[in-house]
Amino acid sequence: AQSVAQPEDQVNVAEGNPLTVKCTYSVSGNPYLFWYVQYPNRGLQFLLKYITGDNLVKGSYGFEAEFNKSQTSFHLKKPSALVSDSALYFCAVRDEGGSYIPTFGRGTSLIVHP
Amino acid sequence: KAGVTQTPRYLIKTRGQQVTLSCSPISGHRSVSWYQQTPGQGLQFLFEYFSETQRNKGNFPGRFSGRQFSNSRSEMNVSTLELGDSALYLCASKVAGGNYQETQYFGPGTRLLVL
Repeated sequence: AQSVAQPEDQVNVAEGNPLTVKCTYSVSGNPYLFWYVQYPNRGLQFLLKYITGDNLVKGSYGFEAEFNKSQTSFHLKKPSALVSDSALYFCAVRDEGGSYIPTFGRGTSLIVHP
Repeated sequence: KAGVTQTPRYLIKTRGQQVTLSCSPISGHRSVSWYQQTPGQGLQFLFEYFSETQRNKGNFPGRFSGRQFSNSRSEMNVSTLELGDSALYLCASKVAGGNYQETQYFGPGTRLLVL
């Protein structure tokens, strides 16, 4: 069975500082990992995904994520946070050989302070 | 290319009523999935339709149903509404099914409030 965990309900960071939103996963086969962002009263917007290859994945709005197989993690990062990055972030996983339906984490609220 | 659209955006109903939500996928996308999002439960998968057939179903009671039309548009219906059905209902589309790598694209959601 596939599962994903976002250990932090909320992350606070000052504008201009680097940010990290954590995600760990559990799968039986190869993982396919996704990050989405949700702004208030909006649907989820796709940020980036890891399928295979380079462990560092670059996505929209300057975000990137690092796939670490040994630590079963896929943390979302950005070198310099903006106030406009404040939103809810979701990590999702599919397990190759398992369900095509992704499992989503509970979400992490990112708050960037001016 | 237009994104996923959902109508209506907001809806207020009373207990016992039924409701129908609509989703139009991105042009060329044939798979449509529905999710319920609540503060307590997070994102929960309801069902997926592909080529007018339900391919996957989440753990929801039979009051929740859906269908897909030949143009890939989808509707979901909730009968005998309960207070706990208050949620943001999200629709997501992708080109096809059966592909682990494919990205789902979400609509803005329909906010349902049951009084």
